[in-house]
Amino acid sequence: GAGVSQSPSNKVTEKGKDVELRCDPISGHTALYWYRQSLGQGLEFLIYFQGNSAPDKSGLPSDRFSAERTGGSVSTLTIQRTQQEDSAVYLCASSSGTGSYNEQFFGPGTRLTVL
Amino acid sequence: AQSVTQPDIHITVSEGASLELRCNYSYGATPYLFWYVQSPGQGLQLLLKYFSGDTLVQGIKGFEAEFKRSQSSFNLRKPSVHWSDAAEYFCAVGARAAGNKLTFGGGTRVLVKP
Repeated sequence: GAGVSQSPSNKVTEKGKDVELRCDPISGHTALYWYRQSLGQGLEFLIYFQGNSAPDKSGLPSDRFSAERTGGSVSTLTIQRTQQEDSAVYLCASSSGTGSYNEQFFGPGTRLTVL
Repeated sequence: AQSVTQPDIHITVSEGASLELRCNYSYGATPYLFWYVQSPGQGLQLLLKYFSGDTLVQGIKGFEAEFKRSQSSFNLRKPSVHWSDAAEYFCAVGARAAGNKLTFGGGTRVLVKP
């Protein structure tokens, strides 16, 4: 079956512009996570959604970052007024729940470069 | 707050030799623990996980890991490395009370010599 997909695979933008990154989780997965992988910070959690519950936004680095999940499926991560330190690979993962036995399946990531 | 430390940034091993990657964690309760592998240009793939029970867990690709509560460690091992094992390996702890969001270590890059 299809895995987690992310688009675009690469995004180059200018400082100050807004960007939207998309994640299509595995069909039927109720939990969706966003992580960021950067040279300076390693792999870090950003936000997760579980079903219809309010998202856990505790990892978002600033109020320029936001995410939504429409219809319990597709998610969009939006970064407003991008800065050079936002350059990173943004990874999305989904799982069939939030218990330990529910493996998180990761997408290939979106590489964001802010010039 | 939970944290994960992988002391070795790089490890070079000869093909056929054994491999051990170290992982130490900090967590207030019994942790969920994971090892992921990231091959060049690839996404993260789960190798194995621990959440309870037997402290020696078997994973895919011939890997195993041992949970040692007294040492707060979850080291990854493979008896005989193949060239295809060259990759970056990440240890992670999952937050039991917070949706299993993962905290990752800094990663260990493994190079395999022929």
